[in-house]
Amino acid sequence: AQKITQTQPGMFVQEKEAVTLDCTYDTSDQSYGLFWYKQPSSGEMIFLIYQGSYDEQNATEGRYSLNFQKARKSANLVISASQLGDSAMYFCAMTPTNTGNQFYFGTGTSLTVIP
Amino acid sequence: DAGVIQSPRHEVTEMGQEVTLRCKPISGHDYLFWYRQTMMRGLELLIYFNNNVPIDDSGMPEDRFSAKMPNASFSTLKIQPSEPRDSAVYFCASRDRTSPDTDTQYFGPGTRLTVL
Repeated sequence: AQKITQTQPGMFVQEKEAVTLDCTYDTSDQSYGLFWYKQPSSGEMIFLIYQGSYDEQNATEGRYSLNFQKARKSANLVISASQLGDSAMYFCAMTPTNTGNQFYFGTGTSLTVIP
Repeated sequence: DAGVIQSPRHEVTEMGQEVTLRCKPISGHDYLFWYRQTMMRGLELLIYFNNNVPIDDSGMPEDRFSAKMPNASFSTLKIQPSEPRDSAVYFCASRDRTSPDTDTQYFGPGTRLTVL
């Protein structure tokens, strides 16, 4: 069974500081994709970053980077130089690449950026 | 490119009424997903389509829920009759497995449904 764990229900970070949001996953699949989505208070789900299980380099998208440690089954999101607009819920998700279309979501982490 | 479009953005209805949620996926995407989000259960996959064909509806909570995709650019999720416990945010998402970025699902803005 697939499982995504986000152990931090809430996080605070000072504006302009970096923050790491934790995500661990459990899967027996060899090929899978890992994702982070942002959900601001307005409610939409915004795709941030993707990491394939066979990608050797950590994915980066602007101020977002994904710290992928395959052996530890972790896929932490790092946000550099936090901005007030980064305050939102963040969801980690995983999908097996070849065996179906199910997305498995974590329970989310609420990030608050303090001015 | 326009993203996934959902309507209405907000719906308030009374118990027993029929509710229809609408979704237009991103043009060219061949997969469409319907999700429900609640505080208690998080994000749940209800059903998904591939090339307009329903593939897995095991997440549909009960027979009151039905979904259709008559063509590649339109899908509906219908609840009849609606109940207060159906109150949630309903998301539509689409995905293009023919592109290099095959796994990413792109979500619509959601429909916030309140059943009184």
